[in-house]
Amino acid sequence: AQSVTQLGSHVSVSEGALVLLRCNYSSSVPPYLFWYVQYPNQGLQLLLKYTSAATLVKGINGFEAEFKKSETSFHLTKPSAHMSDAAEYFCAVSARGSTLGRLYFGRGTQLTVWP
Amino acid sequence: DAEITQSPRHKITETGRQVTLACHQTWNHNNMFWYRQDLGHGLRLIHYSYGVQDTNKGEVSDGYSVSRSNTEDLPLTLESAASSQTSVYFCASSANRARRTDTQYFGPGTRLTVL
Repeated sequence: AQSVTQLGSHVSVSEGALVLLRCNYSSSVPPYLFWYVQYPNQGLQLLLKYTSAATLVKGINGFEAEFKKSETSFHLTKPSAHMSDAAEYFCAVSARGSTLGRLYFGRGTQLTVWP
Repeated sequence: DAEITQSPRHKITETGRQVTLACHQTWNHNNMFWYRQDLGHGLRLIHYSYGVQDTNKGEVSDGYSVSRSNTEDLPLTLESAASSQTSVYFCASSANRARRTDTQYFGPGTRLTVL
């Protein structure tokens, strides 16, 4: 079975500080992993995804994530936070077998950026 | 540009009433999904469809139904609305069931309140 755990439901950083949002997955086969962002009163949009081509994945808005099989992790980082990064972030893993195309989402991490 | 739309954006209804939420996509995607988003739970899958005439139950399908009569639309019906169904509902679509790496594209959401 597939599942995703996001450590920390709330993360606060100062503008210019490093952003680190944690995601660990459980999957019996090599996973495909996604990070989505949700701005207030909007739907989710894709930040980046890991599809086994490269372990370090670069996404939009300066975000990147590194797939670490040994740690079953796919943490999201950004070197310098902007006020506009304040949003909720979701990690997701792709299903396999008869439910291809489904995503299993973590519970989300709310990022607050202080000036 | 292709898009995915939801209507209405906000809905207030009474307990026991039937409610239908619309989802329309112009991506020509095969896969469509309905999620609900609640504080502390992230996104939970209600129903999904891999194509016309195909529907499947997700993890929280009780009290909901869907039908897929064409590629573009997947309406979600609450047969008899309950206060526990007060939530924000998101529709999403992706291109191809067979590809686990496909991105899901989300609509803007419908905020439903059941009084």
